Amino acid sequence: SQQGEEDPQALSIQEGENATMNCSYKTSINNLQWYRQNSGRGLVHLILIRSNEREKHSGRLRVTLDTSKKSSSLLITASRAADTASYFCATDDQTGANNLFFGTGTRLTVIP
Amino acid sequence: DTEVTQTPKHLVMGMTNKKSLKCEQHMGHRAMYWYKQKAKKPPELMFVYSYEKLSINESVPSRFSPECPNSSLLNLHLHALQPEDSALYLCASSQFWGQETQYFGPGTRLLVL
Repeated sequence: SQQGEEDPQALSIQEGENATMNCSYKTSINNLQWYRQNSGRGLVHLILIRSNEREKHSGRLRVTLDTSKKSSSLLITASRAADTASYFCATDDQTGANNLFFGTGTRLTVIP
Repeated sequence: DTEVTQTPKHLVMGMTNKKSLKCEQHMGHRAMYWYKQKAKKPPELMFVYSYEKLSINESVPSRFSPECPNSSLLNLHLHALQPEDSALYLCASSQFWGQETQYFGPGTRLLVL
């Protein structure tokens, strides 16, 4: 299946530090997205990067994509306690049907 | 209005009960989705509706029955569930099936006793 794997599974940092999480996937994609989920709640779309893009920024978020390695990373700079959440990468399967396959997720804890 | 709403927030039901989960969006989106999420796992796609027609059924047991009465509403009817069906059920929508960004509701936390 296309489901991605994220690394690390859990990450604990101090407020103000940067947090980096990685996503690897298996098959070719049209785009890769990152979503955030607060505990037991719905997912919030953060950023989308297309297969022909290598890097994208949005506020304190920086996403990179390496299609040759089938991997992506999400960097959150100057973390805040409010960034505590689970972060999932999501990929399509190039069928054009926009069925999203979510990675296993990284649980980020930012300590005030 | 960029919100997807889901009711109820929590649901406890016995294995012989019949209940329904409801999802609503007023963004004019024509694709709606049901996902199931177990604790500490990623969401898994169950159903996709496009223009009120069922487009994807990811081999979901028949005790889950989706319904899309109109372009704004999506229901998930539950009957004779098993304890292992306890999970967070998430509804999402996107402008079209094939539109990348999905907007998620807060979910319904279901417990089957």
